[in-house]
Amino acid sequence: NAGVMQNPRHLVRRRGQEARLRCSPMKGHSHVYWYRQLPEEGLKFMVYLQKENIIDESGMPKERFSAEFPKEGPSILRIQQVVRGDSAAYFCASSPLRQRGSTGELFFGEGSRLTVL
Amino acid sequence: GDSVTQMEGPVTLSEEAFLTINCTYTATGYPSLFWYVQYPGEGLQLLLKATKADDKGSNKGFEATYRKETTSFHLEKGSVQVSDSAVYFCALSDTGTSGSRLTFGEGTQLTVNP
Repeated sequence: NAGVMQNPRHLVRRRGQEARLRCSPMKGHSHVYWYRQLPEEGLKFMVYLQKENIIDESGMPKERFSAEFPKEGPSILRIQQVVRGDSAAYFCASSPLRQRGSTGELFFGEGSRLTVL
Repeated sequence: GDSVTQMEGPVTLSEEAFLTINCTYTATGYPSLFWYVQYPGEGLQLLLKATKADDKGSNKGFEATYRKETTSFHLEKGSVQVSDSAVYFCALSDTGTSGSRLTFGEGTQLTVNP
């Protein structure tokens, strides 16, 4: 059973360009989560989605950032008009639909490291 | 809202020393608690977890006990190895949702010297 797959692992963009990060959840998982880790900092929640629905986007910057999880295909985190401050590692995680007795564990991908020049 | 406070790092120890990394939390309800580990250049891996008060999670020689009375989940290991060098994150899961959003502490960098 493959784990959470993220690509690209490394992405370099110039200021003003767009960045697209992709995440395929573990098989059988219905929820996808995006976290950002700035250099030397912890993980900050951005958004979590179920197929075709955004459940909670309270951690997403109001401008330039968007996320989707279409019926078919991976989840996409899109950053428009990137700035140097967007340089970070972006981690995707997945989980199954939470049921009574579940522990709430998330399964993480290896991350996508964005560098903005 | 929910929050997690971790002992500030970095922590540097010699091999075979005793490790404690403190973690306290603030939450409504009864969250599950986790320790995740991040090795250099990699993603987060679950180290151990506990789902209710007085539960003890353990894995690879690491232990943590869910203490509701002190709202703590301190990580301990009796004898650390060089291979334990990594960043350790304490986290809690919120309750009452269909998913499992986790709130993380800031992370504690551990370096173990031979």
